[in-house]
Amino acid sequence: NAGVMQNPRHLVRRRGQEARLRCSPMKGHSHVYWYRQLPEEGLKFMVYLQKENIIDESGMPKERFSAEFPKEGPSILRIQQVVRGDSAAYFCASSPEGRLNTEAFFGQGTRLTVV
Amino acid sequence: DAKTTQPPSMDCAEGRAANLPCNHSTISGNEYVYWYRQIHSQGPQYIIHGLKNNETNEMASLIITEDRKSSTLILPHATLRDTAVYYCIVRSLGGATNKLIFGTGTLLAVQP
Repeated sequence: NAGVMQNPRHLVRRRGQEARLRCSPMKGHSHVYWYRQLPEEGLKFMVYLQKENIIDESGMPKERFSAEFPKEGPSILRIQQVVRGDSAAYFCASSPEGRLNTEAFFGQGTRLTVV
Repeated sequence: DAKTTQPPSMDCAEGRAANLPCNHSTISGNEYVYWYRQIHSQGPQYIIHGLKNNETNEMASLIITEDRKSSTLILPHATLRDTAVYYCIVRSLGGATNKLIFGTGTLLAVQP
């Protein structure tokens, strides 16, 4: 059973470009969480999604950031018009449906560098 | 979600037990205690979780006090590869969201 897969592992974008980060949850998992880790800082919750639904986006910046988890395919975190302050590691986690007291498994992250 | 308090850093000699404390005095009845760790530049790794009973798995043991206001993660025989930031998280399950809220954690440095 493959773990949570994130791609790309490293992404370089120029200021003003768009960044798309992908997360494929573990097989059988329908809950996805995105976190951001700025350099030398802790993990900050961004958004929690279930298939086709955003459940909690309380940690998402109000502008330029969006997330989706379609019925088919990976979850996508999209950052429009990137700025240098968006440079960070973005981690995705997944957990299974129907079992609340369970662990969430994390991917290895996408490291975004804005130049 | 209840907040947690952890020491910012700890040292442990290789081969000895590492005991990492966590205070969660405002924990409520439906909140679980989770432990994760993050080895430098990697994704967080699940270690163990519990509600009120002590738990043990192949990685660690979790000791939760009877009043549930604090807990200790025990790595029985620490190795150099256990050097990481360890996060104690109190997670409220049910309701609209099951997110994990990470604090600043404890940087465990295992010394040779």
